[in-house]
Amino acid sequence: EAGVVQSPRYKIIEKKQPVAFWCNPISGHNTLYWYRQNLGQGPELLIRYENEEAVDDSQLPKDRFSAERLKGVDSTLKIQPAELGDSAVYLCASSTGRGREQFFGPGTRLTVL
Amino acid sequence: EDKVVQSPLSLVVHEGDTVTLNCSYEVTNFRSLLWYKQEKKAPTFLFMLTSSGIEKKSGRLSSILDKKELFSILNITATQTGDSAVYLCAVEDVPGGGADGLTFGKGTHLIIQP
Repeated sequence: EAGVVQSPRYKIIEKKQPVAFWCNPISGHNTLYWYRQNLGQGPELLIRYENEEAVDDSQLPKDRFSAERLKGVDSTLKIQPAELGDSAVYLCASSTGRGREQFFGPGTRLTVL
Repeated sequence: EDKVVQSPLSLVVHEGDTVTLNCSYEVTNFRSLLWYKQEKKAPTFLFMLTSSGIEKKSGRLSSILDKKELFSILNITATQTGDSAVYLCAVEDVPGGGADGLTFGKGTHLIIQP
């Protein structure tokens, strides 16, 4: 069974540039999460989807971050414009439902110069 | 606001030693506590604990939850160099209670020396 797929694995951009991350969850997993992990910290939830509906985006900085999950499968997380403090690893996870084991993708390591 | 505190933040031991990692938490409406192992990439699932006093085991790893005292421990016996990783503890609320998703601690960085 294929795991959670994320791309790109690494991204280096200059501040004020836009950037997008893509996630393909495990087949059949209706719940999808985006987390941000800063160096030396645990992951922090940004947004949770149930199918195509964002059911909790309270931690998403909406002035510059946006996310979508069209058709309830793949998801894209976008930052526009990026700031230096956005440098982190962005993790995508999926599960069969809330309260179920979450499977994480390899993450996208973003460096903003 | 949910909170997870792990200790120690880092630990260096020799191969063959036994280690105990600690996790204490504060949550609005507790549903489950989870342990993950993170090497250089994605966290990988170890255990999910929902009931107090029931030990979960997988090989040399075991974990137990104390819901009264709001903590959990992760034990690793006969440690090997491959156990070197960051061990993350996370808690989840029941639906509608507190934070959504998982609330993680900062992790314990475990280094096993040969």
